[in-house]
Amino acid sequence: ETGVTQTPRHLVMGMTNKKSLKCEQHLGHNAMYWYKQSAKKPLELMFVYNFKEQTENNSVPSRFSPECPNSSHLFLHLHTLQPEDSALYLCASSQKTLGQDRSGANVLTFGAGSRLTVL
Amino acid sequence: KQEVTQIPAALSVPEGENLVLNCSFTDSAIYNLQWFRQDPGKGLTSLLLIQSSQREQTSGRLNASLDKSSGRSTLYIAASQPGDSATYLCAVRPWTSGSRLTFGEGTQLTVNP
Repeated sequence: ETGVTQTPRHLVMGMTNKKSLKCEQHLGHNAMYWYKQSAKKPLELMFVYNFKEQTENNSVPSRFSPECPNSSHLFLHLHTLQPEDSALYLCASSQKTLGQDRSGANVLTFGAGSRLTVL
Repeated sequence: KQEVTQIPAALSVPEGENLVLNCSFTDSAIYNLQWFRQDPGKGLTSLLLIQSSQREQTSGRLNASLDKSSGRSTLYIAASQPGDSATYLCAVRPWTSGSRLTFGEGTQLTVNP
């Protein structure tokens, strides 16, 4: 496979469940991102990782717990979510983090997303 | 705080028309501006990236312009086709945002056969 792959594509969970979203990139990139896309709202950055180290957390509630075991894999562990957390969760990667890029030429490659519904 | 606005929110045109999508941003201190396409239930595909020092970029039937001083960008689509139907998002990368892109809410385009 090539590009950025996200699984599962669709997930329905109750508020007391624990589930995880997975992202894998086959592009040799060093930076990975989680974005949230809610209905009628702009995309919001959640987390940024560079070489497995978290470099940015955009004030995300602790019920979302990211994990980056290596530069090719990124997980989002979900626990005790609320219905308002229902959204499309998008993973992205880039050669280096945008914060490191002074050229402005760094481009994000996005996955197809995981559609989460919290009942 | 940087804000990005896209007008119109939705647009429906007959096949073959040339059309313009608009994007405005409030702070001109940006590294670049990027246009994305998103098909229903799918991720984002990067279409064009314009550096802050550039005025426009072209790819096939797409042409994007950037006027940083007025805080505006346009995406021009020539000879539209039904396959162009999607949501088009514009995003800016501000100087001071670290890795954060600021996105607009998008323009949902429908091209009718």
